[in-house]
Amino acid sequence: EAQVTQNPRYLITVTGKKLTVTCSQNMNHEYMSWYRQDPGLGLRQIYYSMNVEVTDKGDVPEGYKVSRKEKRNFPLILESPSPNQTSLYFCASSLNPGHQYYGYTFGSGTRLTVV
Amino acid sequence: KNEVEQSPQNLTAQEGEFITINCSYSVGISALHWLQQHPGGGIVSLFMLSSGKKKHGRLIATINIQEKHSSLHITASHPRDSAVYICAAYYNSNYQLIWGAGTKLIIKP
Repeated sequence: EAQVTQNPRYLITVTGKKLTVTCSQNMNHEYMSWYRQDPGLGLRQIYYSMNVEVTDKGDVPEGYKVSRKEKRNFPLILESPSPNQTSLYFCASSLNPGHQYYGYTFGSGTRLTVV
Repeated sequence: KNEVEQSPQNLTAQEGEFITINCSYSVGISALHWLQQHPGGGIVSLFMLSSGKKKHGRLIATINIQEKHSSLHITASHPRDSAVYICAAYYNSNYQLIWGAGTKLIIKP
């Protein structure tokens, strides 16, 4: 089954403790992206990647890191989480993000709470 | 600044009604995306279009490039259509997807 797998689904952590949210897709998609969703603010892009070893900042990259060493994986790293990073996070992938015949596939989301 | 506006913000209707959700964007785009987010939080891609009209079951999406406007229609609405519907505009220039705030739809039986 074609899918984007995100882990974990839920995570409660403490301020400053490094964490990684994993994202993996099995569709050979070149484009992958991370978003956070907050009440009243909608979805905002954190980082995206057009291909292996090619990543770029989205709207809200501060406090996050990503890597794209392999095509299928695009982990989101919080080196020193803070409470303002408490949010619902989504990973998404696409074969061609701007083409009308190719949609996006989303992961199931990670609800992160930083206390 | 690239912006995407959706209306209405909230919509409650009776089962069987024809539903329209609107999306406007400020500058030229490469493609317009409609997504559905269920109460559990999962997001599903419904349509991506850059011109004309697309139909899938009871859902129809249209886009008018000149007017910078897109609509999502649901025919014969059903309570299972209750969800948040989000439009997002894709800009090739910076590979960015600009999201609307979403429309929360409730269909009452």
